[in-house]
Amino acid sequence: NAGVTQTPKFRVLKTGQSMTLLCAQDMNHEYMYWYRQDPGMGLRLIHYSVGEGTTAKGEVPDGYNVSRLKKQNFLLGLESAAPSQTSVYFCASSYSIVSGGADTQYFGPGTRLTVL
Amino acid sequence: GQQLNQSPQSMFIQEGEDVSMNCTSSSIFNTWLWYKQDPGEGPVLLIALYKAGELTSNGRLTAQFGITRKDSFLNISASIPSDVGIYFCAVVMEYGNKLVFGAGTILRVKS
Repeated sequence: NAGVTQTPKFRVLKTGQSMTLLCAQDMNHEYMYWYRQDPGMGLRLIHYSVGEGTTAKGEVPDGYNVSRLKKQNFLLGLESAAPSQTSVYFCASSYSIVSGGADTQYFGPGTRLTVL
Repeated sequence: GQQLNQSPQSMFIQEGEDVSMNCTSSSIFNTWLWYKQDPGEGPVLLIALYKAGELTSNGRLTAQFGITRKDSFLNISASIPSDVGIYFCAVVMEYGNKLVFGAGTILRVKS
């Protein structure tokens, strides 16, 4: 099992450009998440999904959109990148509470994004 | 906004020393978690705590869930160089299994 994978690993954008970050998991997890990590701030939840075709806002959703068209994939989009979105982005996945494996979120290796 | 206060922000210790860090909240939570992030990697779960007062160990790591359900502590005994990284506390928000993280404690070990 590859676990949670993220592409790309690094990206540099100019202000106003758009891009999509891809997250894939092969553990058949129902839940998926996108976080951003900034120095001294911990990880903050951007958006999450509790199942295929569903998404919801987290703590810091502005400037981002997400889609979960397939259970194994969760895409994070930046329509018009801003320097404030320079960060390290982590995707995670977990089983649902109903399936009994709620607490452990498995994280990908991260995408380092710089917006100039 | 940020609901967890984690301290200390960073520690630089000698190999072999014990380490202690803690996390507090103004709200009650029913599940407390401790994650470790190695440099350049995503966080990995170390210990999960489900019951107030619970003390749980994982090798040299010991964590406690505070009796008030508003705090938790993580101790590392006899630190080694591979303990370096960022340690995060986290609590579970019930719907969607969402996590709220503390700001992290950066641990550096001098050998």
